[in-house]
Amino acid sequence: TQLLEQSPQFLSIQEGENLTVYCNSSSVFSSLQWYRQEPGEGPVLLVTVVTGGEVKKLKRLTFQFGDARKDSSLHITAAQPGDTGLYLCAGLSDTGRRALTFGSGTRLQVQP
Amino acid sequence: GAVVSQHPSWVICKSGTSVKIECRSLDFQATTMFWYRQFPKQSLMLMATSNEGSKATYEQGVEKDKFLINHASLTLSTLTVTSAHPEDSSFYICSASQSYEQYFGPGTRLTVT
Repeated sequence: TQLLEQSPQFLSIQEGENLTVYCNSSSVFSSLQWYRQEPGEGPVLLVTVVTGGEVKKLKRLTFQFGDARKDSSLHITAAQPGDTGLYLCAGLSDTGRRALTFGSGTRLQVQP
Repeated sequence: GAVVSQHPSWVICKSGTSVKIECRSLDFQATTMFWYRQFPKQSLMLMATSNEGSKATYEQGVEKDKFLINHASLTLSTLTVTSAHPEDSSFYICSASQSYEQYFGPGTRLTVT
């Protein structure tokens, strides 16, 4: 069974601070996706990383896929209250199974 | 692009009745759709993988006779919760796959009284 461990589970910071969320596994993934979910809504896809070592930037968000494709990180610069939400990483196995393996989630709260 | 809708967005039903939830990919064809449930403050738990024109593949521990899945077309999958009980109350979310990316519906809040 493939597992994705996400840390921290909960993060409460002040507006303007930086933060990093980690997603780790002992398994290799063919791709990894990051989602953000708000209460009562479905997850919204933020980014997909496919290549080991890949770095993608989305405004103040920087996503990195580990060289071995076993881990990923999400870094937010100068967090804003609008960044508040549940961040989920999800990996797609390289075995051909099409279902995503989800991390446990990181609940981020940005205080104004 | 890549919009997925779910209907209804919320439903309240009495114990013992059945509820059907629809999942549609609005602007793309999805050969594979997935059904998840999510409890408060937890991550998504995969229930089943739905392939168009064939039987769904259920995850371990998910009762296939209780959670009936039908993938009638490339844009529609339905989940029917049969003989619902209060413990089935949850947030049910579907997703549709386009290549290696999945796009999620807005979810359906089911409350069984």
